[in-house]
Order: sequence, then structure tokens, then C-alpha cells
Amino acid sequence: EPEVTQTPSHQVTQMGQEVILRCVPISNHLYFYWYRQILGQKVEFLVSFYNNEISEKSEIFDDQFSVERPDGSNFTLKIRSTKLEDSAMYFCASSLRQGESSRGYTFGSGTRLTVV
Amino acid sequence: ILNVEQSPQSLHVQEGDSTNFTCSFPSSNFYALHWYRWETAKSPEALFVMTLNGDEKKKGRISATLNTKEGYSYLYIKGSQPEDSATYLCACIYNFNKFYFGSGTKLNVKP
Repeated sequence: EPEVTQTPSHQVTQMGQEVILRCVPISNHLYFYWYRQILGQKVEFLVSFYNNEISEKSEIFDDQFSVERPDGSNFTLKIRSTKLEDSAMYFCASSLRQGESSRGYTFGSGTRLTVV
Repeated sequence: ILNVEQSPQSLHVQEGDSTNFTCSFPSSNFYALHWYRWETAKSPEALFVMTLNGDEKKKGRISATLNTKEGYSYLYIKGSQPEDSATYLCACIYNFNKFYFGSGTKLNVKP
């Protein structure tokens, strides 16, 4: 079964530092997403990406956040200057089609980001 | 912000018990509902994708129903096993790209 792979599984960073979270989506998927879950809260949508551009983003996804697909396989989320409140589990997901899919979206196992 | 609610928050059952939990969601402009099974330190695993009112889906001992008019979905587990212990997440789509997640129901099945 193809998987979405995320690295690292856990990252600790100092407040104000830049972090890059990496994801390798399933190779034939066309739509890519980042979600996050702050401890004790619901999973929240951050951004969706298709055809090398952002197709939708939430109010959480401000100028401190950016995404790119630099080499056709990796899909990265960059946080330029981390804040304490950015501490969360970040999930990458990919799908073959937009919206409805017979299999659902495929999620990675997440990167736990801790900002100290 | 669209509010997807799941209940109960957690559930403890004995092995062999059957159980069910609920996802409720705003029915206006609903597009699709996904159920995910999420074990600690693993990826959420898609169980069902449901779109039509009255949809019923089954996978082994797990089944789900959908009522889009009143805005709810039930997930049923027949004869729970310890390996069913996980958090069950419901996520709804109202436009093509964005999920709205519930808080999840954490199921613990005791042997």
C-alpha cells in the first residue's frame, strides 16, 4: 500500500527559528495538503496545493507559512519565524482527485513540532 | 467556521461488545464525509468515504451510515476487538479542497 512519508517525526526548535517540514506524497497523486493538530484541539486545515500553486489556504496560513514542491516529489511546509503557538502535530496528505475520492485522502504519520 | 461534532469523546467497551458513535455536521452545502481510523504514532487510515443521503458502507465488522438531510453519520463496530482500539475521526468536505474535522472518538476495547 503506497504511503505518504513525513520527516522528521519530531522536531524541536527555538522560538524565532525557521523550520521546514518535509513530506513525500504518493507518486501519482495530484493534490497535496497540510493540516495541523494543536494538542487537545481538532485537526485544522492549513493549505491545499495543486499544479504547483496554492489552491486554498486557511486564516492560520499567514505570511509566516509557505509551501513548495521543489523537485516534483517532496512537498514542504516552511515556517519562517516560529512562535510557541506553532507547536502542534503537522500532517501532510495527498489525493489523486479533488474532493471526493473512493479511497479518501492518504495522510502521513505526522511531524510533531515543539517550539521552545 | 463549520462545526463538525463527534460523540462520545471517549468510549470504553469490553471485547465482543458492539458499539457505535456519532458524527454530526451542518447539512447545508455538504459535499462528502470521510471516516478515519487513527492509531497513536500512525497515519490516519481512511475507512469510508460517503456522499449520498442514505449511504451505507461496510468493511468487515465496521459499518457506517449517512443522513445528509439531518446532518449525521453513525459508525458501528460489531464484536469489538482490542485491535479496534484507536481514535475514529470524522471529516466533512464543503468545498473541494478542505476538510472540517471532528474532535474524534477515542475507543478503548478491553480484552
